[in-house]
Amino acid sequence: AQSVTQLDSQVPVFEEAPVELRCNYSSSVSVYLFWYVQYPNQGLQLLLKYLSGSTLVKGINGFEAEFNKSQTSFHLRKPSVHISDTAEYFCAVSRRGGSEKLVFGKGTKLTVNP
Amino acid sequence: DSGVTQTPKHLITATGQRVTLRCSPRSGDLSVYWYQQSLDQGLQFLIQYYNGEERAKGNILERFSAQQFPDLHSELNLSSLELGDSALYFCASSAGQGAANTIYFGEGSWLTVV
Repeated sequence: AQSVTQLDSQVPVFEEAPVELRCNYSSSVSVYLFWYVQYPNQGLQLLLKYLSGSTLVKGINGFEAEFNKSQTSFHLRKPSVHISDTAEYFCAVSRRGGSEKLVFGKGTKLTVNP
Repeated sequence: DSGVTQTPKHLITATGQRVTLRCSPRSGDLSVYWYQQSLDQGLQFLIQYYNGEERAKGNILERFSAQQFPDLHSELNLSSLELGDSALYFCASSAGQGAANTIYFGEGSWLTVV
């Protein structure tokens, strides 16, 4: 079975500062990795995904994530955040070769302050 | 707008009652998923259908059932409702069966059991 740990439940930052949201996963088989964002009162939107190839993945809204197999991590980064990035961010995994069932972490609430 | 439509958006019902949540997937998507989001459990996978057939089952209670119809819309039936069933229920869809397919989420149905 797969599991995901998001190490920070809340991350407050100031506008234009860099941010890193941490995600570690556990799996005995190869996985695909995803980051989703949930804005207040909305559904989840895919930010980016790692399937294979380059370990640095670029997504929407200036976010990127790096897959580190040895550390089983998939941290999300943005060099300069905006107020509009305030949202909850979820890291997720799914098993390669299996159903597309996503296993989610508990989420990280990012609050960007002026 | 993800293209996944869920109704109703909000629902308040009493314990012991039964409700049906409805989902229309994105045009052309054959897979439908149901997830439950609650404060204590986070985002939990319930069940997946592919082209009318059940494909994967997660932490779905026996009181809950789902189906996917020939026109590919899906319904999640929740019966003998308990206070703990209060949650946000997401429907999601994807094009195929492979785990690399992007999963698109609807805006959810808020269920409150009183």
